[in-house]
Amino acid sequence: ETGVTQTPRHLVMGMTNKKSLKCEQHLGHNAMYWYKQSAKKPLELMFVYNFKEQTENNSVPSRFSPECPNSSHLFLHLHTLQPEDSALYLCASSPGMNTGELFFGEGSRLTVL
Amino acid sequence: GQNIDQPTEMTATEGAIVQINCTYQTSGFNGLFWYQQHAGEAPTFLSYNVLDGLEEKGRFSSFLSRSKGYSYLLLKELQMKDSASYLCAVREAGGFKTIFGAGTRLFVKA
Repeated sequence: ETGVTQTPRHLVMGMTNKKSLKCEQHLGHNAMYWYKQSAKKPLELMFVYNFKEQTENNSVPSRFSPECPNSSHLFLHLHTLQPEDSALYLCASSPGMNTGELFFGEGSRLTVL
Repeated sequence: GQNIDQPTEMTATEGAIVQINCTYQTSGFNGLFWYQQHAGEAPTFLSYNVLDGLEEKGRFSSFLSRSKGYSYLLLKELQMKDSASYLCAVREAGGFKTIFGAGTRLFVKA
């Protein structure tokens, strides 16, 4: 238990579907992140939020849309995805953007058919 | 450019010592992290180095040389449960980007 909870753990969707991934952290952290993990590739940073303000969009396609309503919750809205978007999506938090290590959730395993 | 290199796989024997190397080239430097990730689980923090030298924490130690862009993770008295991927990561100057290597899969055999 890392204090970061992601739902759903597994998601299968078609290319025309719209779905959302949810992340919640119970650590009182101020920074939250979305990472994509594909087999045998480095974790790719997608989005960074600090005090619920987006500070980084790492050239992510617009079919991925993040939302951070408060410092404890982070969403990743998905629409018209491609099969190559199938991956493990990891949410993480840290005390601040420049402080401490990352605490990761268990991830949401996404399969796009 | 940004690049973090570490070996893809390593195999070691239970009770032995293994050293996992990491070299990096990043846009500035604000600390190097090692994470452990068991299959199907979240990465978990192992160690942090921001100054040159060795940091020891139980069976695990991590070393950093900033001038060489080099780090290693040393695992002593290996146990079967140490079989996992070990991720080297660098936080860039400015603070909000942590860049990861592809990870080293360690297999511990009896």
